[in-house]
Amino acid sequence: DGGITQSPKYLFRKEGQNVTLSCEQNLNHDAMYWYRQDPGQGLRLIYYSQIVNDFQKGDIAEGYSVSREKKESFPLTVTSAQKNPTAFYLCASSRTVNTEAFFGQGTRLTVV
Amino acid sequence: GESVGLHLPTLSVQEGDNSIINCAYSNSASDYFIWYKQESGKGPQFIIDIRSNMDKRQGQRVTVLLNKTVKHLSLQIAATQPGDSAVYFCAENIGGGSYIPTFGRGTSLIVHP
Repeated sequence: DGGITQSPKYLFRKEGQNVTLSCEQNLNHDAMYWYRQDPGQGLRLIYYSQIVNDFQKGDIAEGYSVSREKKESFPLTVTSAQKNPTAFYLCASSRTVNTEAFFGQGTRLTVV
Repeated sequence: GESVGLHLPTLSVQEGDNSIINCAYSNSASDYFIWYKQESGKGPQFIIDIRSNMDKRQGQRVTVLLNKTVKHLSLQIAATQPGDSAVYFCAENIGGGSYIPTFGRGTSLIVHP
């Protein structure tokens, strides 16, 4: 089945450690996105990539990094510089401009 | 029942009622709009979309209305069911080559049996 897969579903890390969240899609989409969602809040854009080997900062990129070495993969690293990393992280992809984005099931990151 | 989006993030309705969820979008250059449904602990799912050259689009039990004059979008759900309970987001795609879906705050819909 075609889709977008995030792993793991739950992730626990100690404060000060970097952690990488996986996002893979087999939809042959050019664009991929990372969003952060806090309880009772909307989705805030962290980074996005319109094409392989290119990515742009979103509204809350500080403390995060990404790479887009392959079309199907867009991993997100939450670094120790992120002051409040505990959140629900959502990855999405879309085929092209002005088409709907498809979302993964999210990764809930808890930093203790 | 009717919500006013940012000013009333929770909408409670009885099963069988019609629901109206509202969204005020921000950019007059936006030319594509999408409604998503997000159930607890899951990623958002596409419900229905509409382009700026239309003012109404219907799906199965859902209708989206677009008023470009006042930059307002609404989602109407007919005969609301308990399975419709979720958070609903509107997203706008700004034209001019931008690929970035921008999300509103969301409205929580609670359907009482």
